This record gives sequence, structure tokens and C-alpha cells, in this order.
Amino acid sequence: AQSVTQLGSHVSVSEGALVLLRCNYSSSVPPYLFWYVQYPNQGLQLLLKYTTGATLVKGINGFEAEFKKSETSFHLTKPSAHMSDAAEYFCAVSWGSGYSTLTFGKGTMLLVSP
Amino acid sequence: EAGVTQSPTHLIKTRGQQATLRCSPISGHTSVYWYQQALGLGLQFLLWYDEGEERNRGNFPPRFSGRQFPNYSSELNVNALELEDSALYLCASGPLSGTSGRETQYFGPGTRLLVL
Repeated sequence: AQSVTQLGSHVSVSEGALVLLRCNYSSSVPPYLFWYVQYPNQGLQLLLKYTTGATLVKGINGFEAEFKKSETSFHLTKPSAHMSDAAEYFCAVSWGSGYSTLTFGKGTMLLVSP
Repeated sequence: EAGVTQSPTHLIKTRGQQATLRCSPISGHTSVYWYQQALGLGLQFLLWYDEGEERNRGNFPPRFSGRQFPNYSSELNVNALELEDSALYLCASGPLSGTSGRETQYFGPGTRLLVL
């Protein structure tokens, strides 16, 4: 079955440090890839997505992600963490072709300390 | 432009009752998706409606049902509520008939359902 794995349910960084949130998917069919962020008591907000073209995707709030087909990965990074980045991050995958639904990873809670 | 709206924000029911959750998509969007976010289970796809029809369904029992109205708003109905139905229910909308899978889904703030 197709699945999405996010390594680490919690990631802690200091303010100003690099943020790296990992996402791997299992499929032989290239998917469409999304990262969403969820702040407390809110819905999900799209950070960035990869559909076709350049494999390095830039999103909002300084985040970016790189699609690596050979590694079936789509890790999310930000060079310098800010306190306001503390939230839960979800990687999601769509396999298209009429499905048009998203399969989500379990989520990674990002904690940012001063 | 208004985003996806959901009502009510919170809903408390007892086991065996029925719950009705509502969603209004972004203007111009025809697709509505429902997801359940339960503690420890993550986000799971429930239902997808487009142009008034159910297009796809997740691995949930038939007591989870819904519909989409001519104005593209949608209702999710949960019958015979069980304790494990307690969760945040998120609605998302998307443009056109989202058959390619690359369309962004825009999420509402959710309805938190508590079953006692």
C-alpha cells in the first residue's frame, strides 16, 4: 500500500538553527508532494508543493523542500528557525490519476526554543 | 476572498446520536474533501465530493456519509456516534474537478467533535 512516513514525531531546534523535517513516500509512481503546517486550533495551511519541473521548491515563510526521486523523499528545510515556526508539519502525497485525495504522514511537531 | 468555513466549531454529542457538520468552500471551488484528524491516528481521508457527486471514499464505515449541495457547500453526517469518532473534522476545497491530483486543497479551521 502507498504510504507516507515522517521521521520523528517531535523535532526540537534552537531559534536561528537549521530546520530539517523528513518525509519519505513509498510508491513506484511519482506522486505530487505537499507540505502543510497546522498551528494550534487551526486548519492546515499549504507551505509548498511539488508537481513537476524544478525539484527544489520554495514556499512561504522561508521554507523549501527538494524532491529526490531516487530516495523517494521530500524533506522540508529552513535555514534559520524562528519562534513563530513552532507548529505541526504534515507531509502529504497525491498519486493523481483520478484519485485527487491526499495521504498524510503522521505529522512532526516542531518545537523552537529561544 | 473568504476561505473555507466550517460550522459549528465545536460539537458535543452522546454515543448513539447523530452529528451534522457543515462546510462552505472557497468561491469558485467545486470540490469538497472531508478528513478526520483523530488523536494518535493522524489525518485520514473520509470523503470527496465534486459537482454534487461522491467521487471517492476513504476506509470508513457507511455511517459516515455526506452530500454536496448545488452551491457546492457540503454536509458530513455521522450516524450512531461512537466514542472513537471524537476528532477534529477538517474540510478542504479545491478548484475544478480535481482529477489530476496536483491541485492544492485549501483547509478550513475544522469542527471538533466530542462524543461522550
